[in-house]
This record gives sequence, C-alpha cells and structure tokens, in this order.
Amino acid sequence: AQSVTQLDSHVSVSEGTPVLLRCNYSSSYSPSLFWYVQHPNKGLQLLLKYTSAATLVKGINGFEAEFKKSETSFHLTKPSAHMSDAAEYFCVVSDPSGGYNKLIFGAGTRLAVHP
Amino acid sequence: IAGITQAPTSQILAAGRRMTLRCTQDMRHNAMYWYRQDLGLGLRLIHYSNTAGTTGKGEVPDGYSVSRANTDDFPLTLASAVPSQTSVYFCASSASGGGGIQYFGAGTRLSVL
Repeated sequence: AQSVTQLDSHVSVSEGTPVLLRCNYSSSYSPSLFWYVQHPNKGLQLLLKYTSAATLVKGINGFEAEFKKSETSFHLTKPSAHMSDAAEYFCVVSDPSGGYNKLIFGAGTRLAVHP
Repeated sequence: IAGITQAPTSQILAAGRRMTLRCTQDMRHNAMYWYRQDLGLGLRLIHYSNTAGTTGKGEVPDGYSVSRANTDDFPLTLASAVPSQTSVYFCASSASGGGGIQYFGAGTRLSVL
C-alpha cells in the first residue's frame, strides 16, 4: 500500500535561511511523488513532481526535492526562505492500483517565515 | 483561463438541509475529483470521475453523491448535511496522460450547524 509521512507538522525559519521539509513515503510501485503548496485560503498549487527521470527535481519559486530510494525520502528544500513562502506544504504519492489517478496526501507541514 | 471554478466560496448550512457544491473546469480534463480537507488530516478523496458519465467512490464517500453529466461539471451533493461535514471542500481535475498532476480549485468552506 502507498503512504506518505510528513515528519514535521510545523517548521519555523528566519527569512534568508534554508528551508527543509521532510517527507518519507512507502510504495509498492515505482512511485510518482509530488509537493503541493497551499497559501492561506487558497487552493493547492503544484510545486514539483518526481517521476524517475532525475532524482533531483527543481520546482517553482526556487524549491527543489531529492528522491532517495534507499531512504524512501523526498525532502523539499530551498536555499533561502522568503516571507512569501509561508504556507502549508503537502507531500503526495500516487497510487495506480485503484483504477484511477489516486493521490495520497501527507498531513501537511505548516511553514512559518520570520523577519 | 479560469481553470477550476468552485461555488460558493463559503456557506453556513443548517443540519439536515440539502446542499450542492458546484465545480466547473475549462481545461477539458477527463478526470475530476472531490476532496475534503480537515486539520491534521491532509486531503481525503470523497468521489472521483474518470470521464463523463462515470463516477467512483473515494476514501470518505458516505453522505455525499456526485454526478458527471458532461466533461466540464462535477457537482457534489450533501443530501442531508450533518455537523461532521463541516470542512473545506476542493475540486480537482487531471488530464489523461498528464503524469498524474491534479489541478485544484480555490475551495468551498462549509460550516454545518
């Protein structure tokens, strides 16, 4: 069965410092993995997607994630946080077993960015 | 390009009332989805539709129904609302061969009292 665990429910950083949001996954298949971002009172927006082409995936707004099969991890990073990065971030794994485009969401990590 | 439009943006509803949440997409995507988002639980799938005329149950379908009469519209109906259905509801869509990416609407915030 597919599952995803976001290891931190809240992360707080200072503006200009690095961001690390951690995600571990479990998958019986070669997984597709995603990170989505949700700004307050908004819908979810795709940050980046991994589908086995390259282990280091670059997304929008300077974010990137590295797929590590040996560690079953897909952590999201950014070298320097901006105030506008404050949002909720969801790690997501696809599950092709259900006959439809099933996505399994982590519980989310709320990122706070302080001046 | 609007993408996915959801209506209403928010609603307060008395328990026992019937309510339909609307969702329209202009991307001609085959598949559409309804999720609910509750604090600490991420998003959970309520119902999905792979193509017009077909629907399927997701993880938490009880108390909800959907229809897919055409490609663009995917309404979600609560036949008799209960307080546990207080949540934020998101509609999403995806294209066949789109690599699994789902595109989301802005959500409907529903409170059932």
